[in-house]
Amino acid sequence: GENVEQHPSTLSVQEGDSAVIKCTYSDSASNYFPWYKQELGKRPQLIIDIRSNVGEKKDQRIAVTLNKTAKHFSLHITETQPEDSAVYFCAATDGYQKVTFGIGTKLQVIP
Amino acid sequence: DGGITQSPKYLFRKEGQNVTLSCEQNLNHDAMYWYRQDPGQGLRLIYYSQIVNDFQKGDIAEGYSVSREKKESFPLTVTSAQKNPTAFYLCASSIQGAKETQYFGPGTRLLVL
Repeated sequence: GENVEQHPSTLSVQEGDSAVIKCTYSDSASNYFPWYKQELGKRPQLIIDIRSNVGEKKDQRIAVTLNKTAKHFSLHITETQPEDSAVYFCAATDGYQKVTFGIGTKLQVIP
Repeated sequence: DGGITQSPKYLFRKEGQNVTLSCEQNLNHDAMYWYRQDPGQGLRLIYYSQIVNDFQKGDIAEGYSVSREKKESFPLTVTSAQKNPTAFYLCASSIQGAKETQYFGPGTRLLVL
């Protein structure tokens, strides 16, 4: 089955700096890679996703990159703000059955 | 988000007791999922269902059971065989399957008395 590893488990950045979270996956058949944000006490919500036919996708201050050869994908948050503080989960799936999540990264943005 | 609900918000289980967590969605989604969230372990899949009257075990199905008699509902039963049930349980749904956005419910926190 699929195995997703996520690093780092915790990340502290100064407000305005960039944050990068990295994930690797094991199943070369995986072709859909969503990222979810979970604020304290709330439900996870999709913030961005990427499919295997695309190498990079941006949405305002958030971007995701995918390297299929190396089987890794990364989340980039620029100009971080205090409201970016949350736990971020990466995930991978081949689209047929289940989604496998990483263990999460707790991001703290220091004002 | 408002289209998928879970109840109760908190649930207490006594030794040897089975308890059932409710998950309802009005999004007309075919696929539904149950996850368990423990600190430092991310989201682990318990069961999932692609269509009504069909479901499959996830990675940690032991001690749990589900049913999918209606498209809108996917209840999870935590049986007495689950020896460490204390966790945060999240239900999710997606339009058709794993390649679509998952919409999560607000979660149920299960505690053992």
